[in-house]
Amino acid sequence: AQSVAQPEDQVNVAEGNPLTVKCTYSVSGNPYLFWYVQYPNRGLQFLLKYITGDNLVKGSYGFEAEFNKSQTSFHLKKPSALVSDSALYFCAVRDVMDSNYQLIWGAGTKLIIKP
Amino acid sequence: DSGVTQTPKHLITATGQRVTLRCSPRSGDLSVYWYQQSLDQGLQFLIQYYNGEERAKGNILERFSAQQFPDLHSELNLSSLELGDSALYFCASSVDGASGETQYFGPGTRLLVL
Repeated sequence: AQSVAQPEDQVNVAEGNPLTVKCTYSVSGNPYLFWYVQYPNRGLQFLLKYITGDNLVKGSYGFEAEFNKSQTSFHLKKPSALVSDSALYFCAVRDVMDSNYQLIWGAGTKLIIKP
Repeated sequence: DSGVTQTPKHLITATGQRVTLRCSPRSGDLSVYWYQQSLDQGLQFLIQYYNGEERAKGNILERFSAQQFPDLHSELNLSSLELGDSALYFCASSVDGASGETQYFGPGTRLLVL
């Protein structure tokens, strides 16, 4: 069965420091992996995705994520955090060979950037 | 702005009532997804439609139903409402629902059942 885990409910980072939001997944075959961000009282916004190719994926707002097949991880990173990055972050996965088009979502990680 | 619109933004109703949530996908998108986000259960996939046909079903209650119309807008009908149905309901759309596609989310409808 497919699953995705975001092991941290909350991550606290000082402004200007690098940030990492963790995501691990489990699928039978190869994964499609996504990161979304949700600001308060807003819908989810797409940040980036891994489909195939380069393991380092660059996305919106200076975020990037690295696909690590051996560790089944897709951690979200940013070199220098901004207070405006404070939001709820969701990781999602889908098995490439799964005929069900449903994305499996993580529980979300609240990112708090302190000035 | 993702291009996905949802109405209404807020809805307050009583237990036992029925409501309809509406979603218009991005121009050119054929696939629509419905999600429920509650405080204690995160983001739950409800149902997906592609070009008017149901494609995938998630954790959707029997009291809930949805459809996608010929103009591709979609409606989610929630009936016999219970307190526990209070949540944010999101609609998302993508071009054709293929595996690697990005889903683009609307701003959501906040439902409060009293």
